[in-house]
Amino acid sequence: EVQLVESGGGLVQPGRSLRLSCTASGFTFGDYAMSWVRQAPGKGLEWVGFIRSKAYGGTTEYAASVKGRFTISRDDSKSIAYLQMNSLKTEDTAVYYCTRGPAGGFDYWGQGTLVTVSS
Amino acid sequence: QSVLTQPPSVSAAPGQKVTISCSGSSSNIGNNYVSWYQQLPGTAPKLLIYDNNKRPSGIPDRFSGSKSGTSATLGITGLQTGDEADYYCGTWDSSLSGVVFGGGTKLTVL
Repeated sequence: EVQLVESGGGLVQPGRSLRLSCTASGFTFGDYAMSWVRQAPGKGLEWVGFIRSKAYGGTTEYAASVKGRFTISRDDSKSIAYLQMNSLKTEDTAVYYCTRGPAGGFDYWGQGTLVTVSS
Repeated sequence: QSVLTQPPSVSAAPGQKVTISCSGSSSNIGNNYVSWYQQLPGTAPKLLIYDNNKRPSGIPDRFSGSKSGTSATLGITGLQTGDEADYYCGTWDSSLSGVVFGGGTKLTVL
């Protein structure tokens, strides 16, 4: 059974940093691109970025709203994807979902972890 | 303002059919595959349709997807109260080099 479990969310002050983790199981993690999608309270889905598999260079793409502040990385030996968030802003407050994809759609999602940016 | 345009809400009676539209442009829907997601209250999104019209294993054939030009449509037949949810379309945008979503459509089954 495919499972994605996010961790690392919490309350953080504006300008500070936070790192989220996504621990995967039930599939060959290294074969897939992994993405992060967020959802602000009461709002719709917003794609944050993704990291390609090593077979496709392990390169990353980011939404304009987070480019230069957020970094996605992966550790295939541990089946973990990371989202390093720096210079956090109040508008980054959201539930952050880890998801497998985007090729073929985002087919599996974690339960999400809430990040609240507030002083 | 979302890159993809969806109606904010749709409604229909149990047993009826409903369609949800998703409008984009040549840089996204026009030249890329579309996916659809269902988000029940308080839960993570779930993939309903991928590659315009394919259903993942376990998704009933009451759900269907289609694409024409720069628009896509999700169809749901035999509506059930359990279908009440938010529905999102998504696709790759070649100009933005990123994934874009519609603003979401809230389905009410009256």
